[in-house]
Amino acid sequence: KQEVTQIPAALSVPEGENLVLNCSFTDSAIYNLQWFRQDPGKGLTSLLLIQSSQREQTSGRLNASLDKSSGRSTLYIAASQPGDSATYLCAVSHGGSQGNLIFGKGTKLSVKP
Amino acid sequence: SQTIHQWPATLVQPVGSPLSLECTVEGTSNPNLYWYRQAAGRGLQLLFYSVGIGQISSEVPQNLSASRPQDRQFILSSKKLLLSDSGFYLCAWRQGGKLFFGSGTQLSVL
Repeated sequence: KQEVTQIPAALSVPEGENLVLNCSFTDSAIYNLQWFRQDPGKGLTSLLLIQSSQREQTSGRLNASLDKSSGRSTLYIAASQPGDSATYLCAVSHGGSQGNLIFGKGTKLSVKP
Repeated sequence: SQTIHQWPATLVQPVGSPLSLECTVEGTSNPNLYWYRQAAGRGLQLLFYSVGIGQISSEVPQNLSASRPQDRQFILSSKKLLLSDSGFYLCAWRQGGKLFFGSGTQLSVL
């Protein structure tokens, strides 16, 4: 059974710092991995999707990497801003017709001005 | 462009009362649709998914049911709510391997 773990559970950094969020999964036979952002009381916003054949994806100040064989992914946020404060979730998919995702519990990020 | 609508945003219901949460998708046809629940201190748990009209798959046994009466409509229901049904319910649809979520419904069962 696939399990997704995110460390740390919470992180507080001063504005301007670069930071890394970690995600690990127990079953490396994934189809893809997706990083989401969730603001309090809101739905999830997709940030980056990495296919199993890819090593990384970039969008603006965000860079996500994937090491499928070791069951790890990282989300790198450059030059953090207070507006980056949110909970970040990673999720893996095993593909198939259902395509459902298995989520970690998230990392709650707070960027202090 | 595709959009997903979910309502209501918040709901407070007594134990034993019925539940109906609705989700609709616009701008796409024959989407895969999903219901997730996010309970306090826990990750998102997949409840149901549907690959087409009338086709529902349940991931966990529980007090809830789902229906898909139309191509772009997905409904989550319960005949009698339990305290443990409280949580944040999210509807989602899939395109190109990505999952897109609605804004969620915060359900409090008292």
